[in-house]
Amino acid sequence: KQEVTQIPAALSVPEGENLVLNCSFTDSAIYNLQWFRQDPGKGLTSLLLIQSSQREQTSGRLNASLDKSSGRSTLYIAASQPGDSATYLCAVEKSGFQKLVFGTGTRLLVSP
Amino acid sequence: GAVVSQHPSRVICKSGTSVKIECRSLDFQATTMFWYRQFPKQSLMLMATSNEGSKATYEQGVEKDKFLINHASLTLSTLTVTSAHPEDSSFYICSARGGRHEQYFGPGTRLTVT
Repeated sequence: KQEVTQIPAALSVPEGENLVLNCSFTDSAIYNLQWFRQDPGKGLTSLLLIQSSQREQTSGRLNASLDKSSGRSTLYIAASQPGDSATYLCAVEKSGFQKLVFGTGTRLLVSP
Repeated sequence: GAVVSQHPSRVICKSGTSVKIECRSLDFQATTMFWYRQFPKQSLMLMATSNEGSKATYEQGVEKDKFLINHASLTLSTLTVTSAHPEDSSFYICSARGGRHEQYFGPGTRLTVT
């Protein structure tokens, strides 16, 4: 059974810091990995999707890497802003199953 | 593009009644939609996979007679919580699978059963 863990569970940083969120998964037979953002009481916004054959994806200040063999992904946020405050979730899709298994989430607070 | 809507956003109902939640893909067709449940400060748990024109596939431990799913068209899936009880109170989120295999999520529905 696929298990997805995110570390840290919560993170508080001052504005302007660069930060790294970690995601680990137990079964390396994945089709892709997706990073999402969730604001309180809201749905999910897709940030980045990395196919299993890719090593990283970038969008603006966000960079996500994937090391399938070690079962790890990181989300790097450069020059953090208060508007980045949210819960960040990673999710993996097992090959051929379409279903997403979500991580436990990291609650990020960026202080002005 | 790739917008998914849910209706209603919030619903309060009395114990024993049924509630229907709609999930629509507004600008793309989705042969597969997914229904998730999220408890406070917890991650999303997949309840079922909804396939257009066929029966939904439920995850282990999810009562299919309680959570009725219908995927009648390529843009609409509905979740009906039958005979709701307070323990069914939760945040329900749907998603639809796009062409690049990304999943696009709706804004969620907050269900409160009194």
